Amino acid sequence: DADVTQTPRNRITKTGKRIMLECSQTKGHDRMYWYRQDPGLGLRLIYYSFDVKDINKGEISDGYSVSRQAQAKFSLSLESAIPNQTALYFCATSDRPSGRGNYNEQFFGPGTRLTVL
Amino acid sequence: AQSVTQPDIHITVSEGASLELRCNYSYGATPYLFWYVQSPGQGLQLLLKYFSGDTLVQGIKGFEAEFKRSQSSFNLRKPSVHWSDAAEYFCAVVYSGNTPLVFGKGTRLSVIA
Repeated sequence: DADVTQTPRNRITKTGKRIMLECSQTKGHDRMYWYRQDPGLGLRLIYYSFDVKDINKGEISDGYSVSRQAQAKFSLSLESAIPNQTALYFCATSDRPSGRGNYNEQFFGPGTRLTVL
Repeated sequence: AQSVTQPDIHITVSEGASLELRCNYSYGATPYLFWYVQSPGQGLQLLLKYFSGDTLVQGIKGFEAEFKRSQSSFNLRKPSVHWSDAAEYFCAVVYSGNTPLVFGKGTRLSVIA
């Protein structure tokens, strides 16, 4: 089974609808992230969470909200979807640094392709 | 603010030829550097990472990268490209354990026969 799972994998919705994308992980990591990928723009950080009680805005948080329901679950919501939120969305996880001056790699889910009509 | 530049949007190489993908980072502190690969329809997979020590790091799939502080670069190389290497490659940087990764915009690699 995959360590980082995302549901749904594909979603088509209409403008104005509320959408929730879910991410679950079995890696036991404290840290979780949501990115969106657009052609030519790379990955841009939407929100991140370093533990269950910690939520931080990323580069492009407007129009999005998140919920960290448990260590293993991190959901991304679009309260009122708009067409320019059509993109590929990735969830990622990482462990906390094991020591001073260290940083652990991020592990990515397979992505959710969202289309807003 | 930390940033990463990948100057090449798209590169095409012949199978068997050598490859070098460029990555430049901003900021003055010693960075932690990563290269990820995204195959078509897939998520991102870590190829290699640099934290400290030897400036030439080896990764999976025959890739290597060299950290050059004087040039603020972390270029990815492979001596002989295979058709299965066609993918998008992302360089990423972070400067402390309490900030998230910052990704470059990616370089798409095409491999021709």
